[in-house]
Amino acid sequence: AQKVTQAQTEISVVEKEDVTLDCVYETRDTTYYLFWYKQPPSGELVFLIRRNSFDEQNEISGRYSWNFQKSTSSFNFTITASQVVDSAVYFCALLQGGSEKLVFGKGTKLTVNP
Amino acid sequence: NAGVTQTPKFQVLKTGQSMTLQCAQDMNHEYMSWYRQDPGMGLRLIHYSVGAGITDQGEVPNGYNVSRSTTEDFPLRLLSAAPSQTSVYFCASSYRSAGANVLTFGAGSRLTVL
Repeated sequence: AQKVTQAQTEISVVEKEDVTLDCVYETRDTTYYLFWYKQPPSGELVFLIRRNSFDEQNEISGRYSWNFQKSTSSFNFTITASQVVDSAVYFCALLQGGSEKLVFGKGTKLTVNP
Repeated sequence: NAGVTQTPKFQVLKTGQSMTLQCAQDMNHEYMSWYRQDPGMGLRLIHYSVGAGITDQGEVPNGYNVSRSTTEDFPLRLLSAAPSQTSVYFCASSYRSAGANVLTFGAGSRLTVL
C-alpha cells in the first residue's frame, strides 16, 4: 500500500527564515512519482513540482528547493527566506507508476509571520 | 481556456437530499477525478475516470456516484446526503502520459449537510 506522511501538522516562522517541510513516503514500486502542491488561504490547489523515482537530483526554483532521497524515502521541501505570501497548506503526494490514484499526505500548514 | 470549472461553489443540503456537483474541463484531458478534503485528512480520492464511459472507485467511494458520458464533463452525485459528506470537493483533470499525470484542480465546492 502507498502512504505519504507529513509529520508536521503546522509550522510557524518569521519572515526571512528558512523552513523545511518534511515528506516521507511508502511504496513497494520501483517506478513512482512524487508531487508537491500548495493550497493558499484562497483555497485553490497549485502544482509546484513533480519528481520521478529515477531522478534523485535536487531541484531549485527561486526560493524553493526539493531534496529527494530514496534511501530514506523522503522528498523534503525547503523555502529559503520565507515570505508572508508563502503562508499556505502544502501537500506532498505519491503516484505509483501506471496507476491513476494520487495519494496525498495530510498537509502541513505553514504560517509566515511578518 | 477556463481550465477546470466546478459548480456550485457553495451548497447547503439537508440530510437525505440529493444533488450533483458539476465538473467541466476544456483542455481535452482524458483523466478526471474527484477528491474530498476534510480537516486534518488531506485529500482523498472518491472516483476517477480515464476516459468517456470509464469510471472507477477511489479510496472513499461510498455514497457517491459518477458517470462520464463526455470527455469534458464528470459530475459527482450524492444520492442521499449525510452529515459525514460535509466537505470541500475538488475536481481535477490531466492528460494521461507515460509519466505521471499532473493534475489541474478546480476551485473547489464547499458542501454542508445539515
